[in-house]
Amino acid sequence: AQSVTQLDSHVSVSEGTPVLLRCNYSSSYSPSLFWYVQHPNKGLQLLLKYTSAATLVKGINGFEAEFKKSETSFHLTKPSAHMSDAAEYFCVVSEGNYQLIWGAGTKLIIKP
Amino acid sequence: GAGVSQSPRYKVAKRGQDVALRCDPISGHVSLFWYQQALGQGPEFLTYFQNEAQLDKSGLPSDRFFAERPEGSVSTLKIQRTQQEDSAVYLCASSRTGTVNQPQHFGDGTRLSIL
Repeated sequence: AQSVTQLDSHVSVSEGTPVLLRCNYSSSYSPSLFWYVQHPNKGLQLLLKYTSAATLVKGINGFEAEFKKSETSFHLTKPSAHMSDAAEYFCVVSEGNYQLIWGAGTKLIIKP
Repeated sequence: GAGVSQSPRYKVAKRGQDVALRCDPISGHVSLFWYQQALGQGPEFLTYFQNEAQLDKSGLPSDRFFAERPEGSVSTLKIQRTQQEDSAVYLCASSRTGTVNQPQHFGDGTRLSIL
C-alpha cells in the first residue's frame, strides 16, 4: 500500500535562507511523486512532478526535488526563501493511476 | 475564467440539512475529482468521473454523500442530512485525462461548516 510521510508539520526559515521540506514515501511499484503548494484559502497548485525520468526535478518558483529510491525520499528544496513562499506544501504519491495519496502537509513559515 | 471554479466558497448549514456543492471544471477536461480536506490534513479522495461516468466512488464516506456529472462538465457533490463531522473543505480538480501524467488542476474549494 502507498503512503506518504511528511516529517515536519511546520518549518520556519528566514527570508533568503535555504528551504528543506522532507518527504518519505512507501510504494510497492515505481511511483510517481508530486509536490503541491496551497496558499491560505486557495486551491492547490502543482509545484513539480517526478514520473521516472530524471531524478532531480525542477519546478516552478525556484523549487526542486530529488527522488532517492534507496532512501524512499523526495525532499523539496529551494536555495533562497522568499516571503511569498509562505504556504502549506503537500507531498503526493501515485502508483500510476489517477489516485493520489497525500501527505499531511508541512506549513512553511518565512521570517523577515 | 480558465481555471476550476467552485461555488459557494463558504457554506454554513445546520446539522441535518442537505447541501449541494458545485464544481465547474476547465473546459475540455475529461476527468473530474472530488476531495475532502479536514483541518490540518491533506486532501482525501472522494470520487472520480471520466466524462459523465462515475468510475470510482470508493472514497465517499457514507451513503449520505452523492456526486453527479450528468453532462460530463459541471459536477455537483450533495451531502444529505449533514453531520458535524462533514465540516471540511471540499476540493474539486479536473485534468485533461485521468492519467497521472496529466496534472490535476484544483479549484479554491468550498469550506463547509456544520453547526
